[in-house]
Amino acid sequence: KNEVEQSPQNLTAQEGEFITINCSYSVGISALHWLQQHPGGGIVSLFMLSSGKKKHGRLIATINIQEKHSSLHITASHPRDSAVYICAVRYNYGGSQGNLIFGKGTKLSVKP
Amino acid sequence: SAVISQKPSRDICQRGTSLTIQCQVDSQVTMMFWYRQQPGQSLTLIATANQGSEATYESGFVIDKFPISRPNLTFSTLTVSNMSPEDSSIYLCSVDGRGNEQFFGPGTRLTVL
Repeated sequence: KNEVEQSPQNLTAQEGEFITINCSYSVGISALHWLQQHPGGGIVSLFMLSSGKKKHGRLIATINIQEKHSSLHITASHPRDSAVYICAVRYNYGGSQGNLIFGKGTKLSVKP
Repeated sequence: SAVISQKPSRDICQRGTSLTIQCQVDSQVTMMFWYRQQPGQSLTLIATANQGSEATYESGFVIDKFPISRPNLTFSTLTVSNMSPEDSSIYLCSVDGRGNEQFFGPGTRLTVL
């Protein structure tokens, strides 16, 4: 069964802390996405990765293809970073791409 | 990038009624995706809507319950029919961008009483 596991499920941090959210998956993928969902429900794409590392402002995403693992890091966290962070992968099926499979999300709350 | 709008943003509906959710994209796209996110759960793909053909439904979702229209390359509707409290969810439409980047609408938060 193709699954996406995220940890932790919930995370509370103090403003300024360094935050790491983890995502693991089970088989070969063509791409991994990190998404941000705010309380209203809308989703914003943060990163799409197939290898290595990407950085955007205070956000860093890494992926280890051999270990089937990705991490999302937030440096100098701020209360406005409070949101649900979702990992999603697109699996390879014999050379063709499958649909996106989503993790359950990590609910981050950053306290001032 | 693609900018997606959805209507309504939220609604409270009575059991047994139907609600049609609209999704508008600011550019022409081949495929539009409809997702459901039940409380505390991950997103689940309901169906893929291609312009000019029938939508493709995922396992567990049927056309009678979730009819979809795709009249042109920028617009789609999803209807949630004969609603029950179990249909209370956030419904999101999504499109692929260039290089398979994903764009999502703001979501429609549905509560069924």
